[in-house]
Amino acid sequence: EAQVTQNPRYLITVTGKKLTVTCSQNMNHEYMSWYRQDPGLGLRQIYYSMNVEVTDKGDVPEGYKVSRKEKRNFPLILESPSPNQTSLYFCASRGTGYSYEQYFGPGTRLTVT
Amino acid sequence: DQQVKQNSPSLSVQEGRISILNCDYTNSMFDYFLWYKKYPAEGPTFLISISSIKDKNEDGRFTVFLNKSAKHLSLHIVPSQPGDSAVYFCAARGTLFSGNTGKLIFGQGTTLQVKP
Repeated sequence: EAQVTQNPRYLITVTGKKLTVTCSQNMNHEYMSWYRQDPGLGLRQIYYSMNVEVTDKGDVPEGYKVSRKEKRNFPLILESPSPNQTSLYFCASRGTGYSYEQYFGPGTRLTVT
Repeated sequence: DQQVKQNSPSLSVQEGRISILNCDYTNSMFDYFLWYKKYPAEGPTFLISISSIKDKNEDGRFTVFLNKSAKHLSLHIVPSQPGDSAVYFCAARGTLFSGNTGKLIFGQGTTLQVKP
């Protein structure tokens, strides 16, 4: 089954404690991205990757890092989480070229206290 | 600046009636528009899309209308069903000529409730 998986689905942590949210897709997609969803703000792109070892900032990259060492994986790293990073996070992927249908993972609910 | 706006946070309709969800955008460089549907505890799923060269696209009960002069699009669901209750996001993509990499810009979302 074609899918995007994220782990963990729920995470409660404390300010400053480094964490990683994993994302994996089995569709051999080149393009992957991370979004956060906040009330009244919709989905905002954090980082994206066009291919292995190619990443770039989205609209709200501050406080986040990503890496793309393998095509299927695109982890999101919060080196020093803060309460304003409490949010619902989605990983997404899509195929080559200008294909527009993105497939989303199920989401990770992060709470930083 | 919010380039894609959904000004109605919520909408409630009776089963069998028409649901109309609206979306406005400001950037004339957008060339493709999409609607995504999101259920609680799940990721958004693609619903329907429309190219900027068209003014209507239909898929079963779902129809998207695009008014380029007004920079407005709408999603019509006819007839509405309780299973359509979800959050609906509109999204827009800029043209390649504008340097866009296929990035989607999303609206804030509209929560649709269809009452039995």
